[in-house]
Amino acid sequence: GQNIDQPTEMTATEGAIVQINCTYQTSGFNGLFWYQQHAGEAPTFLSYNVLDGLEEKGRFSSFLSRSKGYSYLLLKELQMKDSASYLCAVDDTGRRALTFGSGTRLQVQP
Amino acid sequence: NAGVMQNPRHLVRRRGQEARLRCSPMKGHSHVYWYRQLPEEGLKFMVYLQKENIIDESGMPKERFSAEFPKEGPSILRIQQVVRGDSAAYFCASSPTRTTNEKLFFGSGTQLSVL
Repeated sequence: GQNIDQPTEMTATEGAIVQINCTYQTSGFNGLFWYQQHAGEAPTFLSYNVLDGLEEKGRFSSFLSRSKGYSYLLLKELQMKDSASYLCAVDDTGRRALTFGSGTRLQVQP
Repeated sequence: NAGVMQNPRHLVRRRGQEARLRCSPMKGHSHVYWYRQLPEEGLKFMVYLQKENIIDESGMPKERFSAEFPKEGPSILRIQQVVRGDSAAYFCASSPTRTTNEKLFFGSGTQLSVL
């Protein structure tokens, strides 16, 4: 089966750096996605990792360790608009669709 | 280039009524996924369809729920005899193919409220 764990909530300060962790256990692995979701809106794609290492894209970076079943999303120079839920999703070879974690609600404070 | 379109955005039904949720995928996308999201929770997979075919419905409740994606027109998620526990946000997503690393594009969702 699948098991994806993320912290439920995090709080950080504007201008700071925050790291959101995700651990997973799946029967197969085709890659890991991070999505951002503002309240009442559609999830939007942030990043995709399939190989070990760090993928950097502007203020956002995502890291993957397949051997540890672990990923993190790193947000730098936090802005108020970054307050949102961040969803970790795994592409499991045993499933036909992405499996999502419960999401981490990030609150950025002034 | 319009994104994934869902309607209605909000739907209110009384217990026992039927709810029909529509999803038009992005142009050129033939793969549609439906997810349900309860307050403060993540997205739960319900069903995956291609044109005229249900590929995976392992996340669909066995009763009252059905989905279709006809050759012409939008995908429809149908909930019969709704109960209060069906109240949730229902998101549709689409992709052009179903290959590795294919990201999903989501619609804005339909918020179903059952009175």
